[in-house]
Amino acid sequence: GAGVSQSPSNKVTEKGKDVELRCDPISGHTALYWYRQSLGQGLEFLIYFQGNSAPDKSGLPSDRFSAERTGGSVSTLTIQRTQQEDSAVYLCASSSPGLAGGPSVTDTQYFGPGTRLTVL
Amino acid sequence: GQNIDQPTEMTATEGAIVQINCTYQTSGFNGLFWYQQHAGEAPTFLSYNVLDGLEEKGRFSSFLSRSKGYSYLLLKELQMKDSASYLCAVRDRTGGFKTIFGAGTRLFVKA
Repeated sequence: GAGVSQSPSNKVTEKGKDVELRCDPISGHTALYWYRQSLGQGLEFLIYFQGNSAPDKSGLPSDRFSAERTGGSVSTLTIQRTQQEDSAVYLCASSSPGLAGGPSVTDTQYFGPGTRLTVL
Repeated sequence: GQNIDQPTEMTATEGAIVQINCTYQTSGFNGLFWYQQHAGEAPTFLSYNVLDGLEEKGRFSSFLSRSKGYSYLLLKELQMKDSASYLCAVRDRTGGFKTIFGAGTRLFVKA
């Protein structure tokens, strides 16, 4: 596609339910990032994929959060047993490969429109 | 660990020049980025610095001093549409080239 897409754009769920957020990166981008942004706050790094593997999962807030990426393309972020503090905009970004398929020199990240999650 | 500091808010007048500062601490510096984010929208890339000095791109310029852990974004000839948050982000080669974002500086441009 032309840009990074995310679905759904909005998700309202009840506390305790599981949610799945989807990200379709720009075609050919091997690096994929998930961030969380609470109202009026900066971006909080969650997880980074290079291909299908996640070299850095250090940002995941708890074991209720998990993410996977298949085929080097689509990624899903799953939040189990959602809590009210999980309410935020979840942003996905992708970047193009550099030499040897690793992160590019500039690693310019192209962001999707985000999924606004509201946990009641 | 990593730490990025930038002012929370700034106000400037249309047509003026504004400088947004960013200081950072990181163990494996591998580039500094500035992103612009309008309210309710995703961030968009503005600039990238990896070597010391000034990078100019139209009305926007970005400066980096690696020895001081310091960068600034300079916006000239301010326009009302420049009202947005400006995010400083640092790429860290440790842990697989993670990018850490600052909390952002909200810029208000007034007439």
